[in-house]
Amino acid sequence: KQEVTQIPAALSVPEGENLVLNCSFTDSAIYNLQWFRQDPGKGLTSLLLIQSSQREQTSGRLNASLDKSSGRSTLYIAASQPGDSATYLCAVHNFNKFYFGSGTKLNVKP
Amino acid sequence: GAGVSQSPSNKVTEKGKDVELRCDPISGHTALYWYRQSLGQGLEFLIYFQGNSAPDKSGLPSDRFSAERTGGSVSTLTIQRTQQEDSAVYLCASSPAGANVLTFGAGSRLTVL
Repeated sequence: KQEVTQIPAALSVPEGENLVLNCSFTDSAIYNLQWFRQDPGKGLTSLLLIQSSQREQTSGRLNASLDKSSGRSTLYIAASQPGDSATYLCAVHNFNKFYFGSGTKLNVKP
Repeated sequence: GAGVSQSPSNKVTEKGKDVELRCDPISGHTALYWYRQSLGQGLEFLIYFQGNSAPDKSGLPSDRFSAERTGGSVSTLTIQRTQQEDSAVYLCASSPAGANVLTFGAGSRLTVL
């Protein structure tokens, strides 16, 4: 069964800092990997989708990379802002299921 | 519709009562998923519908949980004889055919007293 782990569980940084969130998975036979953001009391908002054939995707200040062979993905956030404070989850897709990590709770201090 | 719609947004019920949670996916999305998120926990897969195929019910935690999807669109998750451990946020997501990209609703927060 696919296991998805996110490290760290929580992260607190000052505004303006660049940061990296990590996601690892045990079964490399994935179709794609998706990064989500979840604000308190809200649903999940999709940030980036990386297909299994891709190495990275970028959207604004966000860059996600994928190394399927080592079972790792990273989400890089440049020049962090207080509005980036949320929980970030990664999900890997294989065999018609999406497997989620437990998330990294990010706090960006003004 | 423009997004995935879930209702009710909040439901408080007494232990032993039955509840129904509704999900209206994005129009044209053939895949529909239900997940459960307990306080401070990750997402737990419950059930998956794809078109007219038999649903994947492998994540349903007990026979008190059931779900149906009528006409390939709206889905209802039913929890019978609710227990306090059923308290959680129930999230629905849909995906277009072949795209394997999830769009989530805002969730239904269930509290069982």
